[in-house]
Amino acid sequence: TQLLEQSPQFLSIQEGENLTVYCNSSSVFSSLQWYRQEPGEGPVLLVTVVTGGEVKKLKRLTFQFGDARKDSSLHITAAQPGDTGLYLCAGTNTGNQFYFGTGTSLTVIP
Amino acid sequence: KAGVTQTPRYLIKTRGQQVTLSCSPISGHRSVSWYQQTPGQGLQFLFEYFSETQRNKGNFPGRFSGRQFSNSRSEMNVSTLELGDSALYLCASRDRTANYGYTFGSGTRLTVV
Repeated sequence: TQLLEQSPQFLSIQEGENLTVYCNSSSVFSSLQWYRQEPGEGPVLLVTVVTGGEVKKLKRLTFQFGDARKDSSLHITAAQPGDTGLYLCAGTNTGNQFYFGTGTSLTVIP
Repeated sequence: KAGVTQTPRYLIKTRGQQVTLSCSPISGHRSVSWYQQTPGQGLQFLFEYFSETQRNKGNFPGRFSGRQFSNSRSEMNVSTLELGDSALYLCASRDRTANYGYTFGSGTRLTVV
């Protein structure tokens, strides 16, 4: 089983603060994806990273794939209430199988 | 492009009944996967279908089954419902390789009473 552990599990911060969410595994993945899910809706794909060491930026969100392709981080700068949601990482292997992380529930307080 | 459409959005069933959920993937996506999401267990993989064939199956009892039609639409069925089957059931479709990621539907919220 290719487990993905996310930390922290819950995060509650004030608007304007910075935060980092981690996604760790002992397995190597072909790609790593991050999704955000709002209550009552399905997850929405934010980004896919495929190369070890790759960094991608999406406005105030910065995603990094570890050099060994076993871990990833998501950094949010100056968090806003609209960033509130469940953040999920997912690793894929060469067999096109997905392995979802345990999730990080983020609440940004205005 | 229309998104992934799941019907119905909400469903209330009684223990022992059966239920069928429907999913229409994005046009051109031939892979459809189903997930169960609960607060305690997170996102759990049920099965994946590609070109009408089940390719992968998660660790769920035989009461959970699915199928895919020639137009890539998919259905999942749960028989002999139990209280613990109450969950958000998500359908996701993808194009080509997994690196392109999933597009999820909004889910079907199933409540078993």
